Amino acid sequence: ETGVTQTPRHLVMGMTNKKSLKCEQHLGHNAMYWYKQSAKKPLELMFVYNFKEQTENNSVPSRFSPECPNSSHLFLHLHTLQPEDSALYLCASSQEGRGVGYTFGSGTRLTVV
Amino acid sequence: QKEVEQDPGPLSVPEGAIVSLNCTYSNSAFQYFMWYRQYSRKGPELLMYTYSSGNKEDGRFTAQVDKSSKYISLFIRDSQPSDSATYLCAMSVDSSYKLIFGSGTRLLVRP
Repeated sequence: ETGVTQTPRHLVMGMTNKKSLKCEQHLGHNAMYWYKQSAKKPLELMFVYNFKEQTENNSVPSRFSPECPNSSHLFLHLHTLQPEDSALYLCASSQEGRGVGYTFGSGTRLTVV
Repeated sequence: QKEVEQDPGPLSVPEGAIVSLNCTYSNSAFQYFMWYRQYSRKGPELLMYTYSSGNKEDGRFTAQVDKSSKYISLFIRDSQPSDSATYLCAMSVDSSYKLIFGSGTRLLVRP
């Protein structure tokens, strides 16, 4: 596998469920990001990790909990979500926190019912 | 007012047409300008990147930045059905990850 891989591709969950999204990058990058993409809205940066350390939390509700065990893996743990959290969740990576040279994964399409 | 404005479209053109996609912005401090292409059920991929003003060409694609008007454009020559996608502009003040994205323009190139 090359690039940035996200699993699962699709997820339907109830509001009381707990689930996790996984992201893995094979590019040797040291910064990883979670973005939310809703229809007809700009990409919203949620979390930033640099060398496994969280360097930014963009006022994201606590029902979203990120985890970065190493520079290649990133998780987003989800619990008690709301229907308005339904969106495409994109993981990205880059070298040394640079914006040019972002590589995005294909995303997880999340539906909260 | 949003920091970056982009017409959502959809923009429908016949194959072979010249396509012009645009973004306007309000922050005069933006220096780095990017265009991403996003196919359906895929993540965005970087298409073009420009620093400061001027033009940049890559095959059928030309990116143009007019800082005096706070306006950026992406031109696609000889458009193909495979160019059908959503095009996102993004910009930042410095080279960091702090990108501000437009909401994307959906392009449909008809065979």
